[in-house]
Amino acid sequence: SQTIHQWPATLVQPVGSPLSLECTVEGTSNPNLYWYRQAAGRGLQLLFYSVGIGQISSEVPQNLSASRPQDRQFILSSKKLLLSDSGFYLCAWSVSAEAFFGQGTRLTVV
Amino acid sequence: DQQVKQNSPSLSVQEGRISILNCDYTNSMFDYFLWYKKYPAEGPTFLISISSIKDKNEDGRFTVFLNKSAKHLSLHIVPSQPGDSAVYFCAASAIKNKLIFGTGTLLAVQP
Repeated sequence: SQTIHQWPATLVQPVGSPLSLECTVEGTSNPNLYWYRQAAGRGLQLLFYSVGIGQISSEVPQNLSASRPQDRQFILSSKKLLLSDSGFYLCAWSVSAEAFFGQGTRLTVV
Repeated sequence: DQQVKQNSPSLSVQEGRISILNCDYTNSMFDYFLWYKKYPAEGPTFLISISSIKDKNEDGRFTVFLNKSAKHLSLHIVPSQPGDSAVYFCAASAIKNKLIFGTGTLLAVQP
């Protein structure tokens, strides 16, 4: 069966520090991979979308970047965090229309 | 540009009654629609979906209705249970299976 691992679960980082969130998927090949963010009191905003290794689509201009170094690995990064980067970050995978989510990372930038 | 909209941020329903959650979309290219349920500090879990070639899909207590002409879909939960209390997101997909989510509706089922 397929599983998705996302870590860490919670993270508190100072403004200006770097960020690296990692997501890995097991039990499937060539999945579509996603990074979403849920800001406080808001919906799920699609940040990045990948259909294959090295193929990243950015959905909104922002302080973040994404990379897919391996088929089932998706990394969300920032060189310098802003206060506005705080939120709940979710990784997801799909091979058809349904997407399946990780448990999320609560990022607080202080 | 919010392509998928859930205009009701919250809904309160008595246990045993019907819950109706609504969703509107603007992009006529969407061809697949999904509902997700989300508890705090967890990832969303898939509930039910519907293809644009159908107007109804049922799975146990959950039924999704699609009105393509109105660009509207709804999720019916009957009967509602306290464990159904959560945030419900609708989502839509067009080419390449990229999912666009609505803003969510917080459902509270009162015992």
